[in-house]
Amino acid sequence: KAGVTQTPRYLIKTRGQQVTLSCSPISGHRSVSWYQQTPGQGLQFLFEYFSETQRNKGNFPGRFSGRQFSNSRSEMNVSTLELGDSALYLCASSEGQGNTGELFFGEGSRLTVL
Amino acid sequence: DQQVKQNSPSLSVQEGRISILNCDYTNSMFDYFLWYKKYPAEGPTFLISISSIKDKNEDGRFTVFLNKSAKHLSLHIVPSQPGDSAVYFCAASSQGSNYKLTFGKGTLLTVNP
Repeated sequence: KAGVTQTPRYLIKTRGQQVTLSCSPISGHRSVSWYQQTPGQGLQFLFEYFSETQRNKGNFPGRFSGRQFSNSRSEMNVSTLELGDSALYLCASSEGQGNTGELFFGEGSRLTVL
Repeated sequence: DQQVKQNSPSLSVQEGRISILNCDYTNSMFDYFLWYKKYPAEGPTFLISISSIKDKNEDGRFTVFLNKSAKHLSLHIVPSQPGDSAVYFCAASSQGSNYKLTFGKGTLLTVNP
């Protein structure tokens, strides 16, 4: 089985711009989560989608949004970029049912905001 | 407010010895705990987990211990190998939010040959 695929792997944007990141989960997985990793804050939960519905949401401003398509692929969008949005954005997929919470992560999209 | 804390940013051990990574949590609603390992330029990979109804879970060289009264868990790696050198993240979730993990900031483990 192919793993979790994230695109693009690297990107550079300037303040005020917006960005869209894409995630293709493992085949058969219906849950997709997004995390932001920064040196100071570690891994922080952004949101989780299951069957096209947002099921959990973290404490991020409304500039951060996401969606999930019928094929379970997911995108996240950050609008009006700020310098502090520079981070590694990690996508993770799971079957989405059951009580394990075991996630399978992609390699991440590294965003630099100048 | 950091609900999952890994107070040691780094740990160095000799090959063949035991590595003990510690994690503390403050949220009593957490009932499932996981450890992830991360190599540079890769995403985290699941290592081992434990439910709050247990106090120990073992998988090969890896054992996780949970002390609910102290809100403390630890990961033991015996024997440690150079390939274990990575950042280890402790994570927790609560019932009803199984897929919303709260992570610690990680501990960099270096296993010296």
